[in-house]
Amino acid sequence: DAGVIQSPRHEVTEMGQEVTLRCKPISGHDYLFWYRQTMMRGLELLIYFNNNVPIDDSGMPEDRFSAKMPNASFSTLKIQPSEPRDSAVYFCASSPAGSNYGYTFGSGTRLTVV
Amino acid sequence: DQQVKQNSPSLSVQEGRISILNCDYTNSMFDYFLWYKKYPAEGPTFLISISSIKDKNEDGRFTVFLNKSAKHLSLHIVPSQPGDSAVYFCAATRPEYGNKLVFGAGTILRVKS
Repeated sequence: DAGVIQSPRHEVTEMGQEVTLRCKPISGHDYLFWYRQTMMRGLELLIYFNNNVPIDDSGMPEDRFSAKMPNASFSTLKIQPSEPRDSAVYFCASSPAGSNYGYTFGSGTRLTVV
Repeated sequence: DQQVKQNSPSLSVQEGRISILNCDYTNSMFDYFLWYKKYPAEGPTFLISISSIKDKNEDGRFTVFLNKSAKHLSLHIVPSQPGDSAVYFCAATRPEYGNKLVFGAGTILRVKS
Protein backbone atom coordinates (compact mmCIF):
# COMPACT_ATOMS: atom_id res chain seq x y z
CA ASP A 1 0.00 0.00 0.00
CA ALA A 2 1.51 3.32 -1.11
CA GLY A 3 -0.30 5.28 1.57
CA VAL A 4 -1.95 8.63 1.02
CA ILE A 5 -0.35 10.36 -1.94
CA GLN A 6 -0.29 14.12 -2.28
CA SER A 7 0.97 16.25 -5.13
CA PRO A 8 2.79 18.45 -5.61
CA ARG A 9 5.16 18.29 -2.63
CA HIS A 10 6.05 21.94 -3.02
CA GLU A 11 4.23 24.74 -4.78
CA VAL A 12 5.40 28.32 -5.18
CA THR A 13 2.99 30.65 -6.86
CA GLU A 14 2.34 34.33 -7.24
CA MET A 15 -0.45 36.09 -5.45
CA GLY A 16 -3.65 35.98 -7.47
CA GLN A 17 -2.89 32.71 -9.22
CA GLU A 18 -5.00 29.59 -8.94
CA VAL A 19 -3.51 26.69 -6.99
CA THR A 20 -4.72 23.08 -7.09
CA LEU A 21 -3.58 20.51 -4.57
CA ARG A 22 -4.21 16.83 -5.21
CA CYS A 23 -4.74 13.79 -3.02
CA LYS A 24 -5.12 10.07 -3.59
CA PRO A 25 -6.44 8.35 -0.44
CA ILE A 26 -5.81 4.78 0.60
CA SER A 27 -8.05 2.40 -1.27
CA GLY A 28 -11.04 1.35 0.80
CA HIS A 29 -10.92 4.28 3.17
CA ASP A 30 -14.32 5.92 3.51
CA TYR A 31 -13.19 9.26 4.88
CA LEU A 32 -10.93 11.93 3.40
CA PHE A 33 -9.77 15.01 5.24
CA TRP A 34 -7.97 18.19 4.24
CA TYR A 35 -5.96 19.91 6.97
CA ARG A 36 -3.77 22.98 6.98
CA GLN A 37 -0.79 23.36 9.30
CA THR A 38 0.44 26.77 10.41
CA MET A 39 2.69 27.80 13.27
CA MET A 40 -0.04 29.79 14.95
CA ARG A 41 -2.97 27.40 14.65
CA GLY A 42 -1.41 23.99 14.32
CA LEU A 43 -3.50 21.49 12.35
CA GLU A 44 -6.80 22.99 11.22
CA LEU A 45 -9.49 20.90 9.58
CA LEU A 46 -10.63 22.54 6.36
CA ILE A 47 -13.13 20.00 5.01
CA TYR A 48 -13.85 16.31 5.10
CA PHE A 49 -15.68 13.83 2.91
CA ASN A 50 -17.46 10.58 3.67
CA ASN A 51 -17.92 8.27 0.68
CA ASN A 52 -17.06 11.19 -1.64
CA VAL A 53 -19.72 13.46 -0.13
CA PRO A 54 -18.62 16.66 1.67
CA ILE A 55 -19.76 16.44 5.27
CA ASP A 56 -18.30 19.45 7.00
CA ASP A 57 -16.69 22.40 5.23
CA SER A 58 -16.98 24.84 8.12
CA GLY A 59 -13.20 25.09 8.32
CA MET A 60 -12.80 26.39 4.79
CA PRO A 61 -11.54 29.92 5.42
CA GLU A 62 -13.16 31.75 2.52
CA ASP A 63 -14.96 31.33 -0.75
CA ARG A 64 -11.55 31.35 -2.39
CA PHE A 65 -11.16 27.77 -1.16
CA SER A 66 -13.02 24.86 -2.71
CA ALA A 67 -12.64 21.10 -2.54
CA LYS A 68 -13.98 18.24 -4.61
CA MET A 69 -13.94 14.48 -4.48
CA PRO A 70 -15.20 13.24 -7.85
CA ASN A 71 -14.50 9.60 -6.97
CA ALA A 72 -13.20 7.42 -4.18
CA SER A 73 -9.60 7.65 -5.32
CA PHE A 74 -9.09 11.36 -5.91
CA SER A 75 -9.66 14.72 -4.27
CA THR A 76 -8.59 18.27 -5.00
CA LEU A 77 -8.29 21.41 -2.93
CA LYS A 78 -8.32 24.60 -4.98
CA ILE A 79 -7.45 28.14 -3.96
CA GLN A 80 -8.49 30.88 -6.37
CA PRO A 81 -7.15 33.53 -6.15
CA SER A 82 -4.29 32.67 -3.83
CA GLU A 83 -2.96 35.13 -1.25
CA PRO A 84 0.30 35.22 0.76
CA ARG A 85 -1.58 34.33 3.96
CA ASP A 86 -2.54 31.01 2.37
CA SER A 87 1.10 29.94 2.67
CA ALA A 88 1.13 26.79 4.82
CA VAL A 89 1.52 23.03 4.63
CA TYR A 90 -1.64 21.32 3.45
CA PHE A 91 -2.22 17.73 4.48
CA CYS A 92 -4.63 15.20 3.15
CA ALA A 93 -5.56 12.23 5.34
CA SER A 94 -7.83 9.24 4.93
CA SER A 95 -9.46 6.85 7.35
CA PRO A 96 -11.67 3.79 7.29
CA ALA A 97 -15.03 4.09 8.98
CA GLY A 98 -15.01 3.48 12.72
CA SER A 99 -11.24 3.41 12.96
CA ASN A 100 -9.83 3.60 16.46
CA TYR A 101 -6.38 4.28 15.10
CA GLY A 102 -7.03 7.58 13.49
CA TYR A 103 -5.87 8.77 10.19
CA THR A 104 -3.18 8.05 7.67
CA PHE A 105 -1.72 11.34 6.52
CA GLY A 106 0.01 12.15 3.29
CA SER A 107 3.37 13.88 3.29
CA GLY A 108 1.77 17.25 2.66
CA THR A 109 2.06 20.04 0.11
CA ARG A 110 4.10 23.06 1.17
CA LEU A 111 2.45 26.06 -0.47
CA THR A 112 4.22 29.39 -0.72
CA VAL A 113 2.36 32.34 -2.18
CA VAL A 114 4.60 35.30 -2.99
CA ASP B 1 -12.29 28.70 19.88
CA GLN B 2 -9.68 26.01 20.32
CA GLN B 3 -11.18 22.93 21.91
CA VAL B 4 -7.83 21.16 22.23
CA LYS B 5 -4.92 23.14 23.60
CA GLN B 6 -1.24 22.38 23.83
CA ASN B 7 0.10 25.31 25.77
CA SER B 8 3.79 24.46 25.52
CA PRO B 9 5.10 25.23 22.04
CA SER B 10 8.36 23.40 22.74
CA LEU B 11 10.11 21.12 25.20
CA SER B 12 13.77 20.19 25.53
CA VAL B 13 14.83 17.02 27.37
CA GLN B 14 18.09 15.18 27.93
CA GLU B 15 18.44 11.74 26.40
CA GLY B 16 17.41 9.03 28.86
CA ARG B 17 15.16 11.29 30.89
CA ILE B 18 11.37 11.46 30.87
CA SER B 19 9.50 13.67 28.42
CA ILE B 20 6.05 14.85 29.46
CA LEU B 21 3.83 16.50 26.89
CA ASN B 22 0.58 18.04 28.04
CA CYS B 23 -2.79 18.65 26.43
CA ASP B 24 -5.97 20.26 27.72
CA TYR B 25 -9.43 20.12 26.23
CA THR B 26 -12.60 22.11 26.80
CA ASN B 27 -15.31 19.86 25.40
CA SER B 28 -16.42 17.37 28.05
CA MET B 29 -18.16 15.30 25.37
CA PHE B 30 -14.86 14.16 23.87
CA ASP B 31 -14.55 10.44 24.46
CA TYR B 32 -11.45 9.40 22.54
CA PHE B 33 -8.01 10.95 22.46
CA LEU B 34 -4.98 10.37 20.27
CA TRP B 35 -1.38 11.47 19.99
CA TYR B 36 0.35 11.89 16.67
CA LYS B 37 4.04 12.39 15.97
CA LYS B 38 5.34 14.40 13.05
CA TYR B 39 8.86 14.53 11.63
CA PRO B 40 9.94 17.35 9.30
CA ALA B 41 8.75 16.98 5.70
CA GLU B 42 6.48 14.08 6.65
CA GLY B 43 2.84 13.77 7.56
CA PRO B 44 1.79 13.09 11.17
CA THR B 45 1.67 9.44 12.17
CA PHE B 46 -0.49 7.83 14.82
CA LEU B 47 1.34 7.13 18.07
CA ILE B 48 -1.04 6.11 20.84
CA SER B 49 -4.64 6.60 21.89
CA ILE B 50 -6.91 6.33 24.91
CA SER B 51 -10.62 5.96 25.44
CA SER B 52 -12.39 8.04 28.07
CA ILE B 53 -13.29 4.88 29.96
CA LYS B 54 -9.63 4.45 30.83
CA ASP B 55 -7.17 6.64 32.65
CA LYS B 56 -3.98 5.12 31.31
CA ASN B 57 -2.73 3.38 28.20
CA GLU B 58 0.79 2.13 27.73
CA ASP B 59 2.72 1.08 24.64
CA GLY B 60 6.39 0.44 25.17
CA ARG B 61 8.13 3.66 26.10
CA PHE B 62 4.95 5.68 25.55
CA THR B 63 2.17 6.12 28.12
CA VAL B 64 -0.85 8.35 27.87
CA PHE B 65 -2.67 9.46 31.02
CA LEU B 66 -6.17 10.89 31.03
CA ASN B 67 -7.65 12.99 33.82
CA LYS B 68 -11.28 13.55 32.85
CA SER B 69 -12.16 15.75 35.79
CA ALA B 70 -9.36 18.13 34.86
CA LYS B 71 -9.94 17.69 31.11
CA HIS B 72 -6.26 16.99 30.79
CA LEU B 73 -4.13 14.36 29.17
CA SER B 74 -0.43 13.84 29.03
CA LEU B 75 2.03 11.78 27.03
CA HIS B 76 5.03 10.34 28.87
CA ILE B 77 8.06 9.07 26.99
CA VAL B 78 10.51 7.06 29.08
CA PRO B 79 13.37 6.93 28.38
CA SER B 80 13.55 9.70 25.81
CA GLN B 81 15.72 9.08 22.75
CA PRO B 82 17.09 11.51 20.16
CA GLY B 83 14.84 9.86 17.54
CA ASP B 84 11.84 11.03 19.55
CA SER B 85 12.60 14.62 18.52
CA ALA B 86 9.51 15.64 16.56
CA VAL B 87 6.30 17.63 16.78
CA TYR B 88 3.64 15.94 18.88
CA PHE B 89 -0.04 16.66 18.26
CA CYS B 90 -2.83 15.87 20.66
CA ALA B 91 -6.24 15.12 19.10
CA ALA B 92 -9.74 14.39 20.36
CA THR B 93 -13.07 13.26 19.03
CA ARG B 94 -16.59 12.35 20.08
CA PRO B 95 -19.14 9.93 18.59
CA GLU B 96 -21.14 12.65 16.85
CA TYR B 97 -18.04 13.72 14.95
CA GLY B 98 -17.84 10.47 13.04
CA ASN B 99 -14.20 10.14 12.16
CA LYS B 100 -13.40 13.85 12.56
CA LEU B 101 -10.49 14.69 14.85
CA VAL B 102 -9.81 18.04 16.50
CA PHE B 103 -6.09 18.72 16.87
CA GLY B 104 -4.06 20.90 19.15
CA ALA B 105 -1.36 23.25 17.90
CA GLY B 106 1.45 20.81 18.60
CA THR B 107 4.52 20.71 20.85
CA ILE B 108 8.05 20.50 19.47
CA LEU B 109 10.09 17.98 21.46
CA ARG B 110 13.88 18.11 21.28
CA VAL B 111 15.80 15.28 22.91
CA LYS B 112 19.45 16.21 23.41
CA SER B 113 22.13 13.54 23.36
